[in-house]
Parts: sequence; structure tokens; C-alpha cells
Amino acid sequence: DTGVSQDPRHKITKRGQNVTFRCDPISEHNRLYWYRQTLGQGPEFLTYFQNEAQLEKSRLLSDRFSAERPKGSFSTLEIQRTEQGDSAMYLCASSLARGVRSSYEQYFGPGTRLTVT
Amino acid sequence: SQQGEEDPQALSIQEGENATMNCSYKTSINNLQWYRQNSGRGLVHLILIRSNEREKHSGRLRVTLDTSKKSSSLLITASRAADTASYFCATVNSGGSNYKLTFGKGTLLTVNP
Repeated sequence: DTGVSQDPRHKITKRGQNVTFRCDPISEHNRLYWYRQTLGQGPEFLTYFQNEAQLEKSRLLSDRFSAERPKGSFSTLEIQRTEQGDSAMYLCASSLARGVRSSYEQYFGPGTRLTVT
Repeated sequence: SQQGEEDPQALSIQEGENATMNCSYKTSINNLQWYRQNSGRGLVHLILIRSNEREKHSGRLRVTLDTSKKSSSLLITASRAADTASYFCATVNSGGSNYKLTFGKGTLLTVNP
């Protein structure tokens, strides 16, 4: 396993269109996180999953955003009716939280850069 | 919302010099981590320091933590051109179980050959 992967790496879309991003975490990791990063800023937490359960959503995640993690493996983040303000880098990270093997360290994917025109 | 601030926002040094970056945060923490991000790429974990630790070393990295001042510093010794990147501190708040990271705005480090 070579790490967290994200697809696509870049996405250009027109305002009002829907987009979907995919994240494949490290295979044994049961926690998966989504962050959003705008230019010149640090990443901001959006949501996280433990296995297939979505356990927390940030207030940044408006009703137009939905995330899923079916079967506790890969995850998708969908943005409906995109707006120019959605332009950002969307980062996925995973970690292991399982008893004595738990780790606070998160492994990040390369990100999906979204541009809304 | 972001946890705090890194200082300076940008730092330019010559290869071989040491680089020091500071981070402040606002809440009680379980641990503080430093990550590196090369331009347009994902983040890479560098080092983690727990709230009951004051100093930690890893290779050319030295991290200090002062919980009374809610601040941390990252020292990179004998810098190399390959160290050019943005550096972020991130905290995991105490009392929570989600392990989510709260990042600062980052320091852009440029190491000139």
C-alpha cells in the first residue's frame, strides 16, 4: 500500500455544476478525514468517518456538501450546485484508531484542487 | 476556524542555517503536531509532541512546547534547499475522541542554495 490516494487531482467546473471527489485511504486505517484548504491558509476540518459512520461535520459543510464512506473503505465528497467560493484544495487524510495501535498522526493524500469558474 | 497563528508567515534563509518557526494556539490540547507541505501537494507529518512533553527531537528537527503560554516552536537545523516548503502546526484538542486536527496558517520557508 503506497498511501492515501485522491481522484481527480484537478477539477475545473462551472458554477452550478455538481462535482464528486474520491479518496482511498491506507487500507488498515479506520478513520478518514476531509479538510479544505484555500490559498495561503492551513487546512480546515470538514468531516470525519470512523469505519462507515460519519461522526462529525464542521459548520463549514453546508447542505450542498455530502460525504459518504460505504463499507468503511473509500470515501466520496460531493458538492452540489458549486459556487466560486468552493474553489479550494480538498484534502483527505486517514489514521488508525484501534486500541493500543491508535495513532494521532494523519496521513494525507495529494489533494484535489477544485476551480469553479 | 483555525486554532492559531504561525510566526513568521514567511522565512528566507541560506542553506546550512537554522530555521525557527513559532506556533500559538488557543485551547487545551492533547498533542501538537507539525506538518510540511510542498507547493500544491499534500501534507507530511513531521513530529508529534504530547501535552505533558516539553521538548522532542527527530533528526534535524527540534520541537518545544510551552502549554502555559500555549505556544510551540519548530527548529530545523542545518537547513537544506529540499526543506523549502510550508510548515504547519496542528493541534488535537484535549477531551475529544475524534482526533481531528486544527491547523494554523503556516510558515513558508525558503532555503536558498
